[in-house]
Amino acid sequence: AQKITQTQPGMFVQEKEAVTLDCTYDTSDQSYGLFWYKQPSSGEMIFLIYQGSYDEQNATEGRYSLNFQKARKSANLVISASQLGDSAMYFCAMREGKNAGNMLTFGGGTRLMVKP
Amino acid sequence: GAVVSQHPSWVICKSGTSVKIECRSLDFQATTMFWYRQFPKQSLMLMATSNEGSKATYEQGVEKDKFLINHASLTLSTLTVTSAHPEDSSFYICSARDIIAGGPAEQFFGPGTRLTVL
Repeated sequence: AQKITQTQPGMFVQEKEAVTLDCTYDTSDQSYGLFWYKQPSSGEMIFLIYQGSYDEQNATEGRYSLNFQKARKSANLVISASQLGDSAMYFCAMREGKNAGNMLTFGGGTRLMVKP
Repeated sequence: GAVVSQHPSWVICKSGTSVKIECRSLDFQATTMFWYRQFPKQSLMLMATSNEGSKATYEQGVEKDKFLINHASLTLSTLTVTSAHPEDSSFYICSARDIIAGGPAEQFFGPGTRLTVL
């Protein structure tokens, strides 16, 4: 079974509007972390936001927020007020266990295209 | 913030040659580095976990004799693709874990190396 599933291969959003990128995960660990990364065409992986499994509040970082629904095992990324520079690939990732040095498992990614 | 560099950023080589890719943590020490491979329009797939001073741990299906990993210091890990073939053409990305920094995002990614084997 896939550990991280991103069901939207591609998304369009109008500039200045909000968009939600879906991510569901599968783990039997009680302690885990969920990450979102942005990968522009240049290839570098840019860390956006993190949610720990024990965090009670949804994480927020500027225009990025993570809609964490633990019972549903979903960790959707919400980007508010989209900008043209937000056009990129977005990857959801999970780290299982308590060890901060554990590997990340990535989802298949969602390509976001922001329309002017 | 923490910076990870990779060298070279892109390389073109002939089939049968070996290529070495370096991953350096520039302003922090990294006991653990990860090597990923990304094919076009696909996700990152972990190849191996590299620990300073010990042998790398390879993921299932990754040939350790083909992808040689050396993590000789706390700031440098190298990936050598031996006897490269066209199917090895890919984008290789490393990440490094800052052993001192707190917080969840201790893994920092390099800018990647694009390998093309002719």
